[in-house]
Amino acid sequence: GQQVMQIPQYQHVQEGEDFTTYCNSSTTLSNIQWYKQRPGGHPVFLIQLVKSGEVKKQKRLTFQFGEAKKNSSLHITATQTTDVGTYFCAGQMRGYGGATNKLIFGTGTLLAVQP
Amino acid sequence: EPEVTQTPSHQVTQMGQEVILRCVPISNHLYFYWYRQILGQKVEFLVSFYNNEISEKSEIFDDQFSVERPDGSNFTLKIRSTKLEDSAMYFCASRGGRNSEQYFGPGTRLTVT
Repeated sequence: GQQVMQIPQYQHVQEGEDFTTYCNSSTTLSNIQWYKQRPGGHPVFLIQLVKSGEVKKQKRLTFQFGEAKKNSSLHITATQTTDVGTYFCAGQMRGYGGATNKLIFGTGTLLAVQP
Repeated sequence: EPEVTQTPSHQVTQMGQEVILRCVPISNHLYFYWYRQILGQKVEFLVSFYNNEISEKSEIFDDQFSVERPDGSNFTLKIRSTKLEDSAMYFCASRGGRNSEQYFGPGTRLTVT
């Protein structure tokens, strides 16, 4: 079946250090979305990438979508304690559209930031 | 900012009992979803709903599960006879347009004892 894997599962950094999580899909994606989930919270939408090779930035966060539309990455520059949480990528599979557009979530990367 | 709401926030039930989880999607959204997340694991798709019918369901969504949009605002997930392994956080989500992002509710934590 369709799978979306993320590495690493867990990353512990000192505040101010950079952080990157990588997402790989077993199938080509129509688009990829990134969500952040704080401990005990719900997934909060961060960004959507649609085009092959797309790069988007949100302040200290940089998101990339691979040329083959099967992988993606999220990079955080100079982490802060407020960045703590689990970062999930979620892919929408190519060929699905309209009424479905279900999200296949990645396995997530838990980020811990030490002050 | 409009948001998805869910009730109750926590539901405790005994094995074999029926539960109904309720969601109020964002008012002008057309596509509705249920996902679940077992503690410490990833979010898993259960079912999508559009135009008053199920558009897709996962293997998890067996005959014990059903969804309904009984009126113009609520979207419910019913589990007919709960099992211990149904214990999880259940998230409702909705989206507006064809390629827009999904907005998640705060979730209902279901504990089956």
